[in-house]
Amino acid sequence: QLQLQESGPGLVKPSETLSLTCTVSGGSISSSSYYWGWIRQPPGKGLEWIGSIYYSGSTYYNPSLKSRVTISVDTSKNQFSLKLSSVTAADTAVYYCAAPSDYYDSSPPFYWGQGTLVTVSS
Amino acid sequence: SYVLTQPPSVSVAPGQTARITCGGNNIGSKSVHWYQQKPGQAPVLVVYDDSDRPSGIPERFSGSNSGNTATLTISRVEAGDEADYYCQVWDSSSDHQVVFGGGTKLTVL
Repeated sequence: QLQLQESGPGLVKPSETLSLTCTVSGGSISSSSYYWGWIRQPPGKGLEWIGSIYYSGSTYYNPSLKSRVTISVDTSKNQFSLKLSSVTAADTAVYYCAAPSDYYDSSPPFYWGQGTLVTVSS
Repeated sequence: SYVLTQPPSVSVAPGQTARITCGGNNIGSKSVHWYQQKPGQAPVLVVYDDSDRPSGIPERFSGSNSGNTATLTISRVEAGDEADYYCQVWDSSSDHQVVFGGGTKLTVL
């Protein structure tokens, strides 16, 4: 049973880079999931997929965010991270890390972190 | 990019059946997943691969998918089912894209 926990600054200034980390417990990040993903939810709005990094190391990003997003894995810390550059107020959201419980391409996120609110404001 | 369309809201009386739809072009050819999200909480997977239920999800939750519409059906609705519900697919034609519907607020009258 995997557990995921997001961490990072709750306040980021406009034009700066948002950086979040997801710590995985209950299994090795190298072998416990088919992919690791980030999803966000602006206040009062719906879910938006940001991107995923697969066990192979391949990354896939939402086209609307692709130019600003980087997702990476740190196996030594059992963590994966999100970096979103040049943020604006529109990037204010609750950010979730998530992972599937099965090993196939369309497997849905099953394990979710509790979410962390990131506000973009000067 | 692939678009999923959900009604903004659905209302149902306790004990009745709620049906939440998710529309998409030829969605019947894709695997559809459904999430329940209560205020202040992370989403919970309630149906995956059109009609399967994760362990611990009541049998009252079921799903179907055909043509251009997928449906989440909640039988014998309870007050505790009041939540936002999201459908989701994986769009293999668009480079591993994960797509969410806009969400439906289920109100139990």
